[in-house]
Amino acid sequence: NAGVTQTPKFQVLKTGQSMTLQCAQDMNHEYMSWYRQDPGMGLRLIHYSVGAGITDQGEVPNGYNVSRSTTEDFPLRLLSAAPSQTSVYFCASSFGATGARWNGYTFGSGTRLTVV
Amino acid sequence: TQLLEQSPQFLSIQEGENLTVYCNSSSVFSSLQWYRQEPGEGPVLLVTVVTGGEVKKLKRLTFQFGDARKDSSLHITAAQPGDTGLYLCAGVYGNKLVFGAGTILRVKS
Repeated sequence: NAGVTQTPKFQVLKTGQSMTLQCAQDMNHEYMSWYRQDPGMGLRLIHYSVGAGITDQGEVPNGYNVSRSTTEDFPLRLLSAAPSQTSVYFCASSFGATGARWNGYTFGSGTRLTVV
Repeated sequence: TQLLEQSPQFLSIQEGENLTVYCNSSSVFSSLQWYRQEPGEGPVLLVTVVTGGEVKKLKRLTFQFGDARKDSSLHITAAQPGDTGLYLCAGVYGNKLVFGAGTILRVKS
């Protein structure tokens, strides 16, 4: 039972480079989300998905793209890295709502990204 | 501007003291969740509250959802060093889960 797996754990990019952060879950969760975490700002939602083929923007989507071709995978693409994208990135997944109650999100262990 | 405002931002207390963390919003949430995060790890769910006025207890932790479902509180009784961590509230807003900025709790022995 791997849960949510994020790769890589650490990455250093030069300004202008592109890369993809990988996220995979094996719990058959429909809902998946990407967050970034910066000091003093909690977790801010970048993009989210409610099922394969369906994605939407969160609070801070600029500079990031996502796609959801399968239930298991939800990669996050940085198109042209900028120093402002230096952050810790978390992927999370959930079953969503069961009746009126939302199930909790399961988080990966994060990717620490530095853009120089 | 974040949908959810948490206070205080930082709390440093002695072992055995009680504390309360607050989570406030001008929006109504269908569900509100509390998570705890330790350094180098992702957040872990503590509780979900749904009904206005709902109170849930988890050992020494008591969670309350406001009557109007716009605010919540987390009360810890007799805090222990093992309670140290970042406490985050999160609200379900449509199909999204949005987080407050968090409260860093440090419990000194």
